[in-house]
Amino acid sequence: EVQLVESGGGLVKPGGSLRLSCAASGFTFSNAWMGWVRQSPGRGLEWVGRITSTPDPGTTDYAALVKDRFIISRDDSKNRLYLQMNSLKPEDTGVYYCSTDWEGNRGRQGAHWGQGTLVTVSS
Amino acid sequence: DIQMTQSPSTLSASVGDRVTITCRASHNIYNWLAWYQQTPGKAPKLLIYKTSILDSGVPSRFSGSGSGTEFTLTISSLQPDDSSTYYCQHYYAASRTFGQGTKVEIK
Repeated sequence: EVQLVESGGGLVKPGGSLRLSCAASGFTFSNAWMGWVRQSPGRGLEWVGRITSTPDPGTTDYAALVKDRFIISRDDSKNRLYLQMNSLKPEDTGVYYCSTDWEGNRGRQGAHWGQGTLVTVSS
Repeated sequence: DIQMTQSPSTLSASVGDRVTITCRASHNIYNWLAWYQQTPGKAPKLLIYKTSILDSGVPSRFSGSGSGTEFTLTISSLQPDDSSTYYCQHYYAASRTFGQGTKVEIK
């Protein structure tokens, strides 16, 4: 069974940094493209970014609102996905979800999601 | 960036009704479109990918169609469990924009 478990959320002051982690199991993580999606309170889903699998070769892409502040990385030896968030703003507040991204062999997108971790940016 | 525009933002329908949600892309995304269902406090659930392919376990009353810039999600006979918010998402090229969401309420 595929499982994605996020951790690392919490309260951080504006301008601060936070690193989220996503532990993956139940599938071959090293072959998977992975992504982060967030949802501000009472708002819709917002794509944050994604990372291809390392052989592809580990390329990252980001939404314009977080580009140059957020960094997505992965450690295939630990089956973990990371989101390093810097220069945080109050508008970055929300639930952050880890998800599988594009599966090339099927053309499927977003099949599996974690339960989310809450990030609150406030002074 | 490709923008996704969903309509309506909310709809209210009765059990058994046929419901249609529209998603328009600002550029041609071919058939690289997914639909998700989300209930409050829960993670999104994939319903349909590549415009019209139902994910495993999704009831057959859900269907998707379209191509290029215009897409639809149809629920052929609305059920009480379908009360949720539905999102489209394109996954053409490197970006992955979501639509604003459509909240479906049961009358």
